[in-house]
Amino acid sequence: GAGVSQSPSNKVTEKGKDVELRCDPISGHTALYWYRQSLGQGLEFLIYFQGNSAPDKSGLPSDRFSAERTGGSVSTLTIQRTQQEDSAVYLCASSLLRAISYNEQFFGPGTRLTVL
Amino acid sequence: GENVEQHPSTLSVQEGDSAVIKCTYSDSASNYFPWYKQELGKGPQLIIDIRSNVGEKKDQRIAVTLNKTAKHFSLHITETQPEDSAVYFCAASPRRALTFGSGTRLQVQP
Repeated sequence: GAGVSQSPSNKVTEKGKDVELRCDPISGHTALYWYRQSLGQGLEFLIYFQGNSAPDKSGLPSDRFSAERTGGSVSTLTIQRTQQEDSAVYLCASSLLRAISYNEQFFGPGTRLTVL
Repeated sequence: GENVEQHPSTLSVQEGDSAVIKCTYSDSASNYFPWYKQELGKGPQLIIDIRSNVGEKKDQRIAVTLNKTAKHFSLHITETQPEDSAVYFCAASPRRALTFGSGTRLQVQP
């Protein structure tokens, strides 16, 4: 079946502009995660959604970052007043999370954000 | 919070040789340890995972071992092939979000 999809694949913006990144999880997956990968680095957790529970925002680096998940499916990550240090690949993952220890996450291809 | 250390950062092997990547973690509550392979320009792909109630798991040429007492786990790739060349990430999960290692760039020389 279809995997996790993200759009756009690439985004170039000017410093100070707002950007929105979109994630479509695998159908039926109840959990959705956003991660950030800076050039040559590992993945850094940003935010996690699970069903109708309040999201875990503990990884968001500043209040310029926010995310929402509508209807338990599609998610949008918004970065306001972008800075050059926001340049990175933003990755979305989803998981079925049937049991407390079952956390197999499937990643999308990512959105490469470049802030000029 | 959880901290995951991964070594080596780069690894070059000859085709047919074995490759081993090692990770350590800090949070004893971590109970899920996946390994991801990332090719250039693509998202990470899950290749194998292990849960805390298992010491070893094998899938064809790939195996993972876990030592919960020592808080370390390893990825073993046997009979390496050029298509195994990629960046490999380990991760640990005490709760929901994964904490990733910094990655190992594996280069398999034909």
